[in-house]
Amino acid sequence: NAGVTQTPKFQVLKTGQSMTLQCAQDMNHEYMSWYRQDPGMGLRLIHYSVGAGITDQGEVPNGYNVSRSTTEDFPLRLLSAAPSQTSVYFCASSYSLSSHNEQFFGPGTRLTVL
Amino acid sequence: EDKVVQSPLSLVVHEGDTVTLNCSYEVTNFRSLLWYKQEKKAPTFLFMLTSSGIEKKSGRLSSILDKKELFSILNITATQTGDSAVYLCAVEMDNNNDMRFGAGTRLTVKP
Repeated sequence: NAGVTQTPKFQVLKTGQSMTLQCAQDMNHEYMSWYRQDPGMGLRLIHYSVGAGITDQGEVPNGYNVSRSTTEDFPLRLLSAAPSQTSVYFCASSYSLSSHNEQFFGPGTRLTVL
Repeated sequence: EDKVVQSPLSLVVHEGDTVTLNCSYEVTNFRSLLWYKQEKKAPTFLFMLTSSGIEKKSGRLSSILDKKELFSILNITATQTGDSAVYLCAVEMDNNNDMRFGAGTRLTVKP
């Protein structure tokens, strides 16, 4: 198993550009989520999904869209990047919503918006 | 407002010392509290706590939850340089399936 994979590892965008951060898992996990991590702020939940076709907002959803067309993939879209979205983004998955103790994190994507 | 507060924010100790990291929380509909260790990249899971007073232990690490006083501690005994990391505390909430993380405690263990 590859676990949770994220691409790209690093990305630099200009303000107003759009892009998609990819996340995939091969563990047949129902629950997937996206976090951003900023210095002194810990991890903050952006969006999550409890299964294919179902997504919901977390603590900081503004400026981000997600979709879950398959169990394996959970892309995060930035429609119009802003400098405030400069951060490290982590994707995570677990078998179910009630098994966060088994939550696996991807390696992260470091995004810089100029 | 739901919040998770960790203290101290950073800590420097020498090998062999014992450390205690703190996590306090104020959330609606608490489900569980989790501890993670984050070295250079992704967090890795340490403990999940759901009941008060029951210590979870793994080697030199242990943790306990107090649901009355709304806090948890993570103890590391006989620290080693490999324990150097950021330790994150997170709380799961039942009503909206949300997770809130604390800002983390950066532990540095010097030889």
